[in-house]
Amino acid sequence: AQSVTQLDSQVPVFEEAPVELRCNYSSSVSVYLFWYVQYPNQGLQLLLKYLSGSTLVKGINGFEAEFNKSQTSFHLRKPSVHISDTAEYFCAVSDDSSYKLIFGSGTRLLVRP
Amino acid sequence: KAGVTQTPRYLIKTRGQQVTLSCSPISGHRSVSWYQQTPGQGLQFLFEYFSETQRNKGNFPGRFSGRQFSNSRSEMNVSTLELGDSALYLCASSRFSGGEETQYFGPGTRLLVL
Repeated sequence: AQSVTQLDSQVPVFEEAPVELRCNYSSSVSVYLFWYVQYPNQGLQLLLKYLSGSTLVKGINGFEAEFNKSQTSFHLRKPSVHISDTAEYFCAVSDDSSYKLIFGSGTRLLVRP
Repeated sequence: KAGVTQTPRYLIKTRGQQVTLSCSPISGHRSVSWYQQTPGQGLQFLFEYFSETQRNKGNFPGRFSGRQFSNSRSEMNVSTLELGDSALYLCASSRFSGGEETQYFGPGTRLLVL
């Protein structure tokens, strides 16, 4: 069975500092990986996804993530965060045999001025 | 192109009642999935429909059911509501059914069971 672990429940960071949100997955088959962001009282918005090919994936709002198969990780990074990046971030996994996303528990990014 | 819409946005019910939530997918999308989000359990998959057929179902009791219409709109129903059913219910749509498909989420319906 697949699973996703987001070890950090909350990450505080100062504005304009870099940030990394960690995501590790467990699966016995090839996977597809996603990062979503959720702002207060809203649904989920796709930041980026890895399906195949280049392991470095670039997304919206200056975010990027790197797929590392040997470490089963898909960490999300941004070189310089803004106050507006304050939100909850979810890592998710799926595969060819499922029609569903398995989500991690989420990481709350808190950007301070 | 309009996004995924969900109605109603907020709902208050009492224990034992039933509720029906509605989801209209992005135009042209044929797959609709439902997720439950709670502070304790996080985001959990409920079920997925493609071309009016349920393709996958999560680990929820039979009180949770859904359907999809020929225009791809979907409804989910929860019967005999329990306090623990209080949650944000999210609907997502994608063009087709499959793990590689990007799911686009609606704003959710927040259900409070008293």
